[in-house]
Amino acid sequence: RKEVEQDPGPFNVPEGATVAFNCTYSNSASQSFFWYRQDCRKEPKLLMSVYSSGNEDGRFTAQLNRASQYISLLIRDSKLSDSATYLCVVTSNTGNQFYFGTGTSLTVIP
Amino acid sequence: EPEVTQTPSHQVTQMGQEVILRCVPISNHLYFYWYRQILGQKVEFLVSFYNNEISEKSEIFDDQFSVERPDGSNFTLKIRSTKLEDSAMYFCASSEGLNTEAFFGQGTRLTVV
Repeated sequence: RKEVEQDPGPFNVPEGATVAFNCTYSNSASQSFFWYRQDCRKEPKLLMSVYSSGNEDGRFTAQLNRASQYISLLIRDSKLSDSATYLCVVTSNTGNQFYFGTGTSLTVIP
Repeated sequence: EPEVTQTPSHQVTQMGQEVILRCVPISNHLYFYWYRQILGQKVEFLVSFYNNEISEKSEIFDDQFSVERPDGSNFTLKIRSTKLEDSAMYFCASSEGLNTEAFFGQGTRLTVV
């Protein structure tokens, strides 16, 4: 069973669109949750941490549902520069390890 | 802004040779990690390191692999006898504590020929 599952996409959306990504995780003991973005052949870069209360950073909103073991990311007013792969990341129950999803590919089209 | 740095950015080696990948984690971070990503696949955990010892390792991290913190700043990954299937991007990461955000270096692309 995969620790983190994501829809790989690809998502192709026009500029200005709103797009949502979802992710599920299997370990109910996981304590921390993140979204990272990864550009082609580059390192994962932290986009935001995810909390049960939900958090927003500009055009990005992340939400965690612990009961359903489900994490979401909403991007509003998509920009061309948002084109990347978005990685859902969950810590192990020891906190010593990060489990990565396979990533969801987003292309924003002019 | 503090960052994790890795050297070299690209390493080509012959099968069976030893390689050492180097990393300088963010200076006030206490937890260090190595991950790898085979082209087109997901990021996979190799090992975590805290207080000068391995705290967790994956099944990928077999006897061919070792890690070391030889001084106060460097963190290295050694692959003793490289195989073709070791070709991947290797990322070093560090975090302040458990369950906190990890910051990744730009990676070392290892190609085994």
